[in-house]
Amino acid sequence: DAKTTQPPSMDCAEGRAANLPCNHSTISGNEYVYWYRQIHSQGPQYIIHGLKNNETNEMASLIITEDRKSSTLILPHATLRDTAVYYCIVRVVGTGNQFYFGTGTSLTVIP
Amino acid sequence: GAVVSQHPSWVICKSGTSVKIECRSLDFQATTMFWYRQFPKQSLMLMATSNEGSKATYEQGVEKDKFLINHASLTLSTLTVTSAHPEDSSFYICSATTSGGSYEQYFGPGTRLTVT
Repeated sequence: DAKTTQPPSMDCAEGRAANLPCNHSTISGNEYVYWYRQIHSQGPQYIIHGLKNNETNEMASLIITEDRKSSTLILPHATLRDTAVYYCIVRVVGTGNQFYFGTGTSLTVIP
Repeated sequence: GAVVSQHPSWVICKSGTSVKIECRSLDFQATTMFWYRQFPKQSLMLMATSNEGSKATYEQGVEKDKFLINHASLTLSTLTVTSAHPEDSSFYICSATTSGGSYEQYFGPGTRLTVT
């Protein structure tokens, strides 16, 4: 079962930062936080993941609170192509360990 | 990066027939593959976990005799929807993880199944 809670939808102006929150208050010490996004009728695309430290890559930044009960995905300069459903998932690392998707946040980037 | 393909990308079949969907890891060996289904405007629902050379593990509520999964090699898993009915119409997505300890799941582009 999904262990995350996200707002169902958000809007963001093109060129501005998009901040997508996720609550995972029951996260265990060995569970990572992953973010994926899904553009309409496509397979999910990996964005970023982290355990306790903040992470940054070419796509986004991930900010995890000190108690690890919540996190925020930041798209620094949103473009129209970032319009998608964003999923926050917690998972124990391992090749056989499953992802359980929650309902996600539908982000709309507005021109 | 790691690429996962699915074939076909869409299929229409008649009620009562069976349809097979292939999932391939193109540039890596996948010891574990996963199958999901997604109904319109809903999230992905995990159906089963497939390990190479062994029987798939199905999630609660998923009929294993209806959704046959075979993972015969490190690069190929198949999902066969048997005796398909209109309610089986859905978007089916596979994913794969590498055997090298990667932290990511790589997802295929999905297969749209329509049962008439």
